[in-house]
Amino acid sequence: KAGVTQTPRYLIKTRGQQVTLSCSPISGHRSVSWYQQTPGQGLQFLFEYFSETQRNKGNFPGRFSGRQFSNSRSEMNVSTLELGDSALYLCASSLNSLDTQYFGPGTRLTVL
Amino acid sequence: DQQVKQNSPSLSVQEGRISILNCDYTNSMFDYFLWYKKYPAEGPTFLISISSIKDKNEDGRFTVFLNKSAKHLSLHIVPSQPGDSAVYFCAARGGGGATNKLIFGTGTLLAVQP
Repeated sequence: KAGVTQTPRYLIKTRGQQVTLSCSPISGHRSVSWYQQTPGQGLQFLFEYFSETQRNKGNFPGRFSGRQFSNSRSEMNVSTLELGDSALYLCASSLNSLDTQYFGPGTRLTVL
Repeated sequence: DQQVKQNSPSLSVQEGRISILNCDYTNSMFDYFLWYKKYPAEGPTFLISISSIKDKNEDGRFTVFLNKSAKHLSLHIVPSQPGDSAVYFCAARGGGGATNKLIFGTGTLLAVQP
């Protein structure tokens, strides 16, 4: 069974732009969560989706948003990019809402 | 407020010996704990987990111990192999409400010397 896939793997943007990252969960998994990893803050929770509904949101500004589609695929969007948004963005999927999360390889976002 | 702490940034162990990675937490509402292994520029790989109702879980070379009274868990790797060299994160789930949100520690870099 294929693992979690994330596209693109690498992205370079400039301040003020917006970006959309995509995540395809493991087949059959219905829950998707997003995390941000930075050297200073470590791994921090962004959002959690289950059956197209956002169940939980981390402590991030409103510039960070996400959604989940009926096929469980998920996207996250960051608007008005700032230098501090440079990070590895990780998506994780789980079979149901309280099962073990399996991570994708991440999208490395660099904001110049 | 760091609810999950890994106080050792790094650990060096000889091949074949035991590696012990430690993790402390502050929130008694956490109901599930996990260990992940991570290489640079890759996503974390799930290793092993333990429910708060247990005190030990074993899977091959990996054993996780949970001491709820001390709010402490540890991951034992026996025997350690050079391929185990990576950053290890402990994570906790729960803290109130039906959520799969994970709170991660800061990680411990394990180096297994041949």
